[in-house]
Amino acid sequence: QKEVEQNSGPLSVPEGAIASLNCTYSDRVSQSFFWYRQYSGKSPELIMSIYSNGDKEDGRFTAQLNKASQYVSLLIRDSQPSDSATYLCAVTPGNSGYALNFGKGTSLLVTP
Amino acid sequence: SQTIHQWPATLVQPVGSPLSLECTVEGTSNPNLYWYRQAAGRGLQLLFYSVGIGQISSEVPQNLSASRPQDRQFILSSKKLLLSDSGFYLCAWTKGGAGGSNQPQHFGDGTRLSIL
Repeated sequence: QKEVEQNSGPLSVPEGAIASLNCTYSDRVSQSFFWYRQYSGKSPELIMSIYSNGDKEDGRFTAQLNKASQYVSLLIRDSQPSDSATYLCAVTPGNSGYALNFGKGTSLLVTP
Repeated sequence: SQTIHQWPATLVQPVGSPLSLECTVEGTSNPNLYWYRQAAGRGLQLLFYSVGIGQISSEVPQNLSASRPQDRQFILSSKKLLLSDSGFYLCAWTKGGAGGSNQPQHFGDGTRLSIL
């Protein structure tokens, strides 16, 4: 069973701070990594994709990947109350399977 | 651009009744299609996926079934619903073919199913 682990939270940060969300995965040959945001009662929405080691920035979001440590993170700068949601980490299976392996998500609460 | 449609948005059904949820994708051909269930406060549970018409892979044995009668249509069914079938049902698609396995999945808006 390939695992994707995330702290369930809630992670509480004040408005304007940096939120740091972490994810570890067990499948060493995974190649693609995604972050989804899921608001309460809504479906998951893709916010970041990362395929190679290092950082990838998109607006206030930065995804970081370290394949040697099997670790993916998402940084949200200048956090806003509208960022309050559950963030899901997803990893492609390394055995050419067809379905992503999802973590259970980290709940983020940004307080005004 | 690609879009995914899922209906109905909410559904209340009695125990023992049948179920049919439908999902369609527009703007792409031969997508990989997925059905997930998310119980309240829980993670995503993959139920079925399909890489082509008539091809269904089941991830969890249960009283649900899936069918793919057309390239961009995916249906989730049950003959007799159980209380434990309550949850948020999500359809998703990804690009098909050899490159699909490294692509992100895109989700529909979901169906919230309550069993009474």
